[in-house]
Order: sequence, then C-alpha cells, then structure tokens
Amino acid sequence: DQQVKQNSPSLSVQEGRISILNCDYTNSMFDYFLWYKKYPAEGPTFLISISSIKDKNEDGRFTVFLNKSAKHLSLHIVPSQPGDSAVYFCAASAGWAGGTSYGKLTFGQGTILTVHP
Amino acid sequence: DTEVTQTPKHLVMGMTNKKSLKCEQHMGHRAMYWYKQKAKKPPELMFVYSYEKLSINESVPSRFSPECPNSSLLNLHLHALQPEDSALYLCASSQTAKQGKKLFFGSGTQLSVL
Repeated sequence: DQQVKQNSPSLSVQEGRISILNCDYTNSMFDYFLWYKKYPAEGPTFLISISSIKDKNEDGRFTVFLNKSAKHLSLHIVPSQPGDSAVYFCAASAGWAGGTSYGKLTFGQGTILTVHP
Repeated sequence: DTEVTQTPKHLVMGMTNKKSLKCEQHMGHRAMYWYKQKAKKPPELMFVYSYEKLSINESVPSRFSPECPNSSLLNLHLHALQPEDSALYLCASSQTAKQGKKLFFGSGTQLSVL
C-alpha cells in the first residue's frame, strides 16, 4: 500500500517557466511533509517542508502548497533553472503534534524534473 | 560541516561474506538513520538511532545488524546477504529524532550481492 504517491514519473519544463510537482497521500495521520531533491550518485537533499497547520510555505524560488482536504501537496519552482534538473521526492511523517515520530519518513516514488535551457 | 559521509561508495560482496558500511557526521546530531533504496523506488526506512540507542527497527532481517558506537558514527554490519539485498544504502542524521528536524543524507553505498 503506497501511502505517498507521485503520479508523474517525469516532468519537462523550459528554463524560466514554472515547474509544478504534485504529491498525494492516503494516510490521514500524516501531518508533516517535506520535499527532497536528489542528483545521481548523491543522497537526497532537503528542499522545503510544511506542517499541517499551514497551507503554504515559501523559500526563495520554492513554494509548497498543502490541501489537507484533498490530501494533496505540490511544489512550485519559479523560475525553473537547468540546475534544478533532478529527481524530486515528496515525503511525509506522522506525529507532529505529539513530537514522537522518530523521524520516520515515507517517501513517494519520485518525479524526474528536466529543465531545458 | 553539514556533511554525512558514507564509506565505501561501492561494495560488491558474495553471499557468504561479512562486510560493514560506515557513516559519520560531525554536526552534533543525536539521531541517525539507515534507509534502503532499490532502483526506481523511494528510500525505505530500516533503522533509527536516537541518542545512540536503537529506537526503530522496521522489521529488518537479522542479516543486517546496525551499531552506533558513538553519537558521530553509525555502522551497518552485513552477513549472509541475498542478491535481492542489492540496493543503495543511505545513512542520514538529524538534530534529534523528533519530527520537524530535517534529515541530512549521505551519498550512499551502492551494494551489489553476487
């Protein structure tokens, strides 16, 4: 049972345009969400996170939106740059309120983003 | 220093071998993790150490044996592995194991079991 789903295996975008990566989850206990970026032969790198008490979090070119009723989150990258080309993983964890999740992250399958010059 | 260092980067071993994967961080983090990632799949949690104590074992077979000798080091001892254990093994650390503390990942060890 895949609790975090990224239904688009790949996305191709022109440099300067917006990239929108989507993620859906099924576990209603998830209340903290993160996006990681992964280059080949490297470990995932943290990008941005959002807790369930918010519906938007912004950091520079990256914005994450959370729609709890739809169990959906998205990552917007504006403007997209060729260096953003990587695999993007959505991840979720439960227990923010109780603070006892012990760092267990459930990852989505990943979306390969390619930004063309 | 915001790095998590994993050695070796690549490892090939037979099913009767014993080997160890090593992970090191000097960020003062008190939580360390082992994740396993198969090709074209997401990372999956194996173990969590919090303040050098094993907090979570995600029903990992006993042929994988984690060890946390001190707050900076994490090992994964491998013995009698199967070919299906071939994967990328990722180490991560965070300030503590409580939620909201982002994980820093190493580059991983690509393991092949023959």
